Formats: sequence, structure tokens, C-alpha cells
Amino acid sequence: DIQMTQSPSTLSASVGDRVTITCRASEDIVTWLAWYQQRPGKAPKLLIYKASILEGGVPSRFSGSGSGTEFTLTISSLQPDDFATYYCQHYISYPYTFGQGTKLEIK
Amino acid sequence: DVQLVESGGGLVQPGGSLRVSCVGSGYPFSHYSMNWVRQAPGKGLEWISAISNTGTSTYYADSVKGRFSISRDNDKNSLYLQMNSLRVEDTAFYFCARDITYWGQGILVTVSS
Repeated sequence: DIQMTQSPSTLSASVGDRVTITCRASEDIVTWLAWYQQRPGKAPKLLIYKASILEGGVPSRFSGSGSGTEFTLTISSLQPDDFATYYCQHYISYPYTFGQGTKLEIK
Repeated sequence: DVQLVESGGGLVQPGGSLRVSCVGSGYPFSHYSMNWVRQAPGKGLEWISAISNTGTSTYYADSVKGRFSISRDNDKNSLYLQMNSLRVEDTAFYFCARDITYWGQGILVTVSS
């Protein structure tokens, strides 16, 4: 099974900051990677798919990059709504494993 | 609008069984594969099962293989997860998801004596 490792586990930042979350796959997943945002008590929301394609309705301050085994999610200028937990997930083959999550906290 | 609504959660004793359901609307249900993902309280997301659009192919995480069974009824726009031999560690919110895009609101399954 492909393992997904996210870093950091927790990230403290302020409104207006630029932040980057990293996701590493244990083997080549080409660009079959999704990023999700989850707020407490809510279902995950798809932000980015195929590593870099923004889902419709997602603000352009979110961007994704990478291929193979190294991927990043960047938020260019943090807004109050962005403080949540973020997950990566590969979907190249089953099982579609998730990273352990990155909790983005207000500094 | 795409909607996915889970039902059937609740409290069950260790070793017991439960079936959770998910009804999809707002899209051609039979055209898409479906997934179940769970999240233990305060923990991360865990993909546990998937089924192809026709139902002919099914997939499971090792943690549930042999105990859980995924199925679908395309005539009823419904997805199911039959959970047997439940353990305390199966306690979680269970989400259905249409491929990687749309998710239900989740349903809580609690396994406790």
C-alpha cells in the first residue's frame, strides 16, 4: 500500500501569511493527488485534484504543485476562514490512503 | 446539486453488526464509483472501501477486510456498508463519497458495551 506523509502536523500562522503544507508519497503517484480542507464537525471539502487543479468555487489563494512523490499545498494569504485541518490523499490505486493531516492554527 | 445522505448509524455492542446507507441525488448515480471513508473522533481520515459504478468490483482496507461488505443498488441510488464483527476501534463517523469529489455529512457509529 502507498503511504502518505504530511508535514507539519500542526502549523501556527497569522492572517495574511503565506503557508505551505507538504505531502510525500511512498511511491510514484504521478499527479493522482487531492487536497481537502476539513472544518470541525464538517465533511472534508475538495480543494485541489490532480495535484494542481483547483476545484470549482475554491479561492485562487489556494494552489497545489508537485508530481511523483513530492507535493505541496500553498495558501498565498491566509484568511480567517482558512484555519482548519488539511489532508492529502492519493487516488492512483486502491487503497486510497490519506496523509495524517495538518492542523492550521491561528498564531 | 449533488447530495449524499447517510443513515443507519447508532450504538452497537462489540461483536455486533450494523448496516449504514447512503442515498445519492442530483447526478446519475450509476455512472460513478463510490467510497466509504471513516474518521474516529478527533483523528484523521481513513479510506475503508470502494465499489465500481456497476458494483462488480469492490475494494477494502486491510483494517476492515473480511468484516465489512460494500454494495450498491443503482435502481435506488443507494450505497451500503454492512459492518460485521464490530470492534471498539470501529467507532467513527462514516462518510460516503462520490469518487473524490462529493461527500455526505457523515453518520456516527459507536461500538461500545
